[in-house]
Amino acid sequence: NAGVTQTPKFRILKIGQSMTLQCTQDMNHNYMYWYRQDPGMGLKLIYYSVGAGITDKGEVPNGYNVSRSTTEDFPLRLELAAPSQTSVYFCASSWPPVLTYEQYFGPGTRLTVT
Amino acid sequence: GENVEQHPSTLSVQEGDSAVIKCTYSDSASNYFPWYKQELGKRPQLIIDIRSNVGEKKDQRIAVTLNKTAKHFSLHITETQPEDSAVYFCAASRSFGNEKLTFGTGTRLTIIP
Repeated sequence: NAGVTQTPKFRILKIGQSMTLQCTQDMNHNYMYWYRQDPGMGLKLIYYSVGAGITDKGEVPNGYNVSRSTTEDFPLRLELAAPSQTSVYFCASSWPPVLTYEQYFGPGTRLTVT
Repeated sequence: GENVEQHPSTLSVQEGDSAVIKCTYSDSASNYFPWYKQELGKRPQLIIDIRSNVGEKKDQRIAVTLNKTAKHFSLHITETQPEDSAVYFCAASRSFGNEKLTFGTGTRLTIIP
């Protein structure tokens, strides 16, 4: 199993540009999440999904959109990028639990908006 | 919403000594408290978790304690080793590891050889 994969690994955007961060999991997890991690800060939840066709806002959803058309994929869309969106973005998945309730994280996407 | 505070933000200990990281939470309905470890440039990974019906849980050199009355929980690492150097995050959730995890701001632990 590849687990949770994310593309791209790095990206530089100009202010006002748009892009989609891709996330795929092959563990047949129902729940998927998008977090952002700013330097010296914890992970903040942007959006999450409890199943295909169902999404909900997290703590910091402004400036982002998501969709969940399949169990495996959970793309994050940035419209009109702003410098405040410079961050490392992590996708994660979970449920049902096997031995733990762990959220499995992808390797992250480092995004810089200039 | 939930607010999780974590202290200290940085911690240096001699190899072989113990390390303790503390977190407090605000939502009395929170019932699941995981700890994640993030090595430099890597993804966060779960190292231990505890549910609100348990006061303490141990896994080899790592233990977590929970005080529901005071709304705080702590991570204890004994006999620290160089590979314990990382950033540690506590988190809290109203459900067992799913949906909205609220993370603390992290503790950078450095083990001094």
